[in-house]
Amino acid sequence: AQSVAQPEDQVNVAEGNPLTVKCTYSVSGNPYLFWYVQYPNRGLQFLLKYITGDNLVKGSYGFEAEFNKSQTSFHLKKPSALVSDSALYFCAVRDDDYKLSFGAGTTVTVRA
Amino acid sequence: EPEVTQTPSHQVTQMGQEVILRCVPISNHLYFYWYRQILGQKVEFLVSFYNNEISEKSEIFDDQFSVERPDGSNFTLKIRSTKLEDSAMYFCASSATGVGYGYTFGSGTRLTVV
Repeated sequence: AQSVAQPEDQVNVAEGNPLTVKCTYSVSGNPYLFWYVQYPNRGLQFLLKYITGDNLVKGSYGFEAEFNKSQTSFHLKKPSALVSDSALYFCAVRDDDYKLSFGAGTTVTVRA
Repeated sequence: EPEVTQTPSHQVTQMGQEVILRCVPISNHLYFYWYRQILGQKVEFLVSFYNNEISEKSEIFDDQFSVERPDGSNFTLKIRSTKLEDSAMYFCASSATGVGYGYTFGSGTRLTVV
């Protein structure tokens, strides 16, 4: 089965600083990787996906992610974090039967 | 932008009671899903539904759970006799294709079993 791991429960950054949320994956075959964000009392919102093509994927709200095959990583990045980016972030991988397998989530806190 | 709508947003029920969680998927989507998230844990797949039948279910989705599309718009998850460990956030999702991307998730129903 495919899986992802998010090694950090929490990430804290100051507003204006770069933000990185880490994700590593374990798959057989080509990975289909995703990032979702969950704001308080809201559903899971899609940020971006990697299916194939360029290793640098750009998504919503200024986020991007870099697919690194040699390191089996798909880290989420934002060059300059905003307080409004504070949320719970989930990495996910498409499983063999087309359902999503999620990581445990990383809580991002951006302080003013 | 089209949304997946879930009701209620929060439900409290007594152990042993039946609950029905409701979802209105995006109108032209054909694939429907339920996921759940126990507090502090990862989001887990429960069941997928296509062409009026379950296409896949996880080990969590035992005989206490059932899904239904009673009319052309609603997609429901029923828990027949709730247990304390069913307390979780339940997310409905739909997609136009069944290839594992293009999901739209609802805002979730927080179920609390007391």
